[in-house]
Amino acid sequence: QTVVTQEPSLTVSPGGTVTLTCASTTGAVTTGSFPNWFQQRPGQAPRPLIYSTYNKYSWTPARFSGSLLGGKAALTLSGVQPEDEADYYCLLYYGAEGVFGGGTKLTVL
Amino acid sequence: QVTLRESGPALVKPTQTLTLTCTFSGFSLVPSGTSVTWIRQPPGKALEWLARIDWNGDKYYTTSLKTRLTISKDTSKNLVVLRMTTMDPVDTATYYCTRVQESRIENWGQGTVVTVS
Repeated sequence: QTVVTQEPSLTVSPGGTVTLTCASTTGAVTTGSFPNWFQQRPGQAPRPLIYSTYNKYSWTPARFSGSLLGGKAALTLSGVQPEDEADYYCLLYYGAEGVFGGGTKLTVL
Repeated sequence: QVTLRESGPALVKPTQTLTLTCTFSGFSLVPSGTSVTWIRQPPGKALEWLARIDWNGDKYYTTSLKTRLTISKDTSKNLVVLRMTTMDPVDTATYYCTRVQESRIENWGQGTVVTVS
């Protein structure tokens, strides 16, 4: 069973920069895994942020960016805002099957 | 405007079969590249990808639950149904249906809470 791993929690100061990563037990994450990133605030459905590694939706704030970093998918937040405090999930595809990471709880403090 | 709405029982007993319906509007499951995916989230836990049905009827399931899941669609009624057999308390979760375009999970329903007890 494929496992996708994310940092369980990260803390960042307002205005700072933080990178969340998403690793796969099958090896290096590539664009062929079509990494997706989602933000979820308490009591809400997840909100899509990034698709296919680095592509943004029209509603994705400019401070969010996606990339591949050291064999992992990465989500970088630059100039973090208090409202960015949330859970973040990555999704990787293995063929047609998707697998979510365990999520990262981002605290802005 | 794309909307998806999940419906089904809020409470099921262990060993029963769960049937959830996703009713959607603002898009059709006809165009190539369009699919509907079911995702769930146990309380306080991570998201879990469950199943997907494509515009052409192709179906995909998460490996760990493959024997218990069945996904189907009625294109004319704009709905997708997910069945999960042999429900257990660990299946207690919020179940979401989503619209997927290529690999993009673009739209989410509000979710429906299912408790197994």
